[in-house]
Amino acid sequence: NAGVTQTPKFQVLKTGQSMTLQCAQDMNHNSMYWYRQDPGMGLRLIYYSASEGTTDKGEVPNGYNVSRLNKREFSLRLESAAPSQTSVYFCASSEFRRGARETQYFGPGTRLLVL
Amino acid sequence: KNEVEQSPQNLTAQEGEFITINCSYSVGISALHWLQQHPGGGIVSLFMLSSGKKKHGRLIATINIQEKHSSLHITASHPRDSAVYICAVNVSHRGSTLGRLYFGRGTQLTVWP
Repeated sequence: NAGVTQTPKFQVLKTGQSMTLQCAQDMNHNSMYWYRQDPGMGLRLIYYSASEGTTDKGEVPNGYNVSRLNKREFSLRLESAAPSQTSVYFCASSEFRRGARETQYFGPGTRLLVL
Repeated sequence: KNEVEQSPQNLTAQEGEFITINCSYSVGISALHWLQQHPGGGIVSLFMLSSGKKKHGRLIATINIQEKHSSLHITASHPRDSAVYICAVNVSHRGSTLGRLYFGRGTQLTVWP
């Protein structure tokens, strides 16, 4: 099992360009998450999907959109990249059975630089 | 204001030393997690706690729910323990059991030979 995979690993964009970060998990998990990690700050939730067919905003959703394509895949789109979106992006997944406490499994991260 | 605070922010130790990293939180939680992030960037879950103590090899995690405090201990530290250690909590929401995590800023641990 690959666990959680992310593509690409690195990306450089110019201000105003768009791109989609891809995430897939093969653990049959219901919930998936997108985080960003910036120096000196904890991981912050951008968007999450509690189950297939649902998505919700996290703490820092502005400038991003997401799609839960199916149970396995959860993509993050930057429509018009800004330098403030330079960050490391992590996708994660968890089983999420109602009432359970969840361990989240993280992808390897995508380093994004917006010039 | 961050719901989860970690200390220290940076920690340097000699190989073999006993390490303690602290985490305090200000909200009601259903579980607390300790995560490890290696220099390559990957994040792995070490422990999930809702009470008491857990041990895995040289790592021990404890939680005191009344004091809203957790500690991560590393016994006989080794250079390969050098990493960022992150505390995170599942926040209790009335009527919701969603597994969202709130994260501390992490503790950078460096262990010298």
